[in-house]
Amino acid sequence: EAQVTQNPRYLITVTGKKLTVTCSQNMNHEYMSWYRQDPGLGLRQIYYSMNVEVTDKGDVPEGYKVSRKEKRNFPLILESPSPNQTSLYFCASSRVGPIAGYTFGSGTRLTVV
Amino acid sequence: GDSVTQMEGPVTLSEEAFLTINCTYTATGYPSLFWYVQYPGEGLQLLLKATKADDKGSNKGFEATYRKETTSFHLEKGSVQVSDSAVYFCALNSDDKIIFGKGTRLHILP
Repeated sequence: EAQVTQNPRYLITVTGKKLTVTCSQNMNHEYMSWYRQDPGLGLRQIYYSMNVEVTDKGDVPEGYKVSRKEKRNFPLILESPSPNQTSLYFCASSRVGPIAGYTFGSGTRLTVV
Repeated sequence: GDSVTQMEGPVTLSEEAFLTINCTYTATGYPSLFWYVQYPGEGLQLLLKATKADDKGSNKGFEATYRKETTSFHLEKGSVQVSDSAVYFCALNSDDKIIFGKGTRLHILP
């Protein structure tokens, strides 16, 4: 089944403890992206990648890192999480770019205390 | 910059009612337009899209027509079901990015 898989689905952590949210797609898509979804703010793009070893900042990149060492994986790294990073995170992929439409993962609900 | 405005919800309808969710956009070029749907506890799913003026996107009984003259892409369905309860997002493609509206929550009562 064609899908984007994120792990974990739920995570509670403490301020300052490094964490990684994994994202993997099995559709050989070139383009991958991370979003966060917050009430009243909608979806905001954190980082995106148009291909292996190519990453770019989205609208809200502060406090986040990403890497794209293989086409299928696009992990999101929070080096020192803070409570304002408590949010619902989505990974998405697209065959050639957003114009082709995204396939989204099921989301990761992160709480930083 | 480019932007998407959609009607605020929640929208509550009875089963078999006609649905319209309004969406207007501001863009300097000729973007592609999308509707995504998010069911409870899930990620967004692409519902339909249109790539140029007067195109009609359709899927699962939902339709939306790309209206350049009114810069609109309203979502319609003739007869909604309880299973259509979800959050609906209008979006446009701008410079290799997708800009989403804030979403409209739809409740369908049996």
